[in-house]
Amino acid sequence: NAGVTQTPKFRVLKTGQSMTLLCAQDMNHEYMYWYRQDPGMGLRLIHYSVGEGTTAKGEVPDGYNVSRLKKQNFLLGLESAAPSQTSVYFCASSYPRRGVQETQYFGPGTRLLVL
Amino acid sequence: GQQVMQIPQYQHVQEGEDFTTYCNSSTTLSNIQWYKQRPGGHPVFLIQLVKSGEVKKQKRLTFQFGEAKKNSSLHITATQTTDVGTYFCAGPEETSGSRLTFGEGTQLTVNP
Repeated sequence: NAGVTQTPKFRVLKTGQSMTLLCAQDMNHEYMYWYRQDPGMGLRLIHYSVGEGTTAKGEVPDGYNVSRLKKQNFLLGLESAAPSQTSVYFCASSYPRRGVQETQYFGPGTRLLVL
Repeated sequence: GQQVMQIPQYQHVQEGEDFTTYCNSSTTLSNIQWYKQRPGGHPVFLIQLVKSGEVKKQKRLTFQFGEAKKNSSLHITATQTTDVGTYFCAGPEETSGSRLTFGEGTQLTVNP
């Protein structure tokens, strides 16, 4: 099992360009998440999904869109990149179990630089 | 909204010294999780605590969940250079059990 994979690993964008980050998991997890991590600010939730075809906003959703067309994939889109979106992006997944918040498994991250 | 706070933000120790990081939630948590992120890496799950007053050990690491289920601590005995990294606590959001609220993390450096 590869676990959670992310592509690309690193990307440089110019302001105004668009891009899509891909997250894939092979653990049959229902829940998937996108976080951004900035120095001194921990992990902030951008969007998440509790199942195929469903998405919801997290703490910092502005400037991002997501889609979950297949259970194993969760895409994060930046329509018009801004320097403030320079960050490390982590995807995570988990399997829900009634009454207990399950462990989240993280991908290796995508480092994005917006010039 | 729910807040999870960690102190200290940074900790520098000499190898062999002990280390403790504290996690405090603004709300009662059903459980708490701890993650470790090595420099340049991604967060990796360490442990989950569920019961009030629960204490769990993993070799030199001791995790504790407070009686009121609003705070937790991670203590490392006799740190080693392999302990370097950022330690995060996380608790389920009270309005949505499918989401975790992460603390800002404690970054540990260990001088050999």
